[in-house]
Amino acid sequence: GAVVSQHPSRVICKSGTSVKIECRSLDFQATTMFWYRQFPKQSLMLMATSNEGSKATYEQGVEKDKFLINHASLTLSTLTVTSAHPEDSSFYICSARADRENYEQYFGPGTRLTVT
Amino acid sequence: GENVEQHPSTLSVQEGDSAVIKCTYSDSASNYFPWYKQELGKGPQLIIDIRSNVGEKKDQRIAVTLNKTAKHFSLHITETQPEDSAVYFCAAYKDTGGFKTIFGAGTRLFVKA
Repeated sequence: GAVVSQHPSRVICKSGTSVKIECRSLDFQATTMFWYRQFPKQSLMLMATSNEGSKATYEQGVEKDKFLINHASLTLSTLTVTSAHPEDSSFYICSARADRENYEQYFGPGTRLTVT
Repeated sequence: GENVEQHPSTLSVQEGDSAVIKCTYSDSASNYFPWYKQELGKGPQLIIDIRSNVGEKKDQRIAVTLNKTAKHFSLHITETQPEDSAVYFCAAYKDTGGFKTIFGAGTRLFVKA
């Protein structure tokens, strides 16, 4: 299957700072990328969907000014958690899809964010 | 809105036995049904999928069945091994409207050696 990478795998930051997470599709071009948040022992919660070159579409209840998403190229999307607080601590996972005709969605390994 | 129900939430089997996980979806327009395996601390991995024009698909020890009329689909794992222990998520997707994938709540599978 296709490979999606995420960096960093783990990050610890202080409350009030910002942290950026990168998501890359390594062997295919991703027209659409997704960002999910996952709480312990729970399912995946979609935060936003981004298409290359356009603004991300955020799910209801997700603050777009807090979770900045940039899909600058067909292989890279970034999620920036601004002014992080302890309640933002979570497992963040990105996913990528090549195009709408290819339904397969491939996930990155996830980033564990801890805000102290 | 669209919903995917998944059962059971936890499943414990003896090594070598079969495991079956069942899902039900609400949106009859859904036309693609992937299954993901997630190991602890890792991202979900696509293990098998099925499109709505197919009733069954098999890949070695893993098979998926789809009943469009009943809006049910199931994952079957035969000859389970300890390394099959993980959380499994079913999902439903449709290629119209919002193009979103709706995930089930997950099934935690334990395979006892």
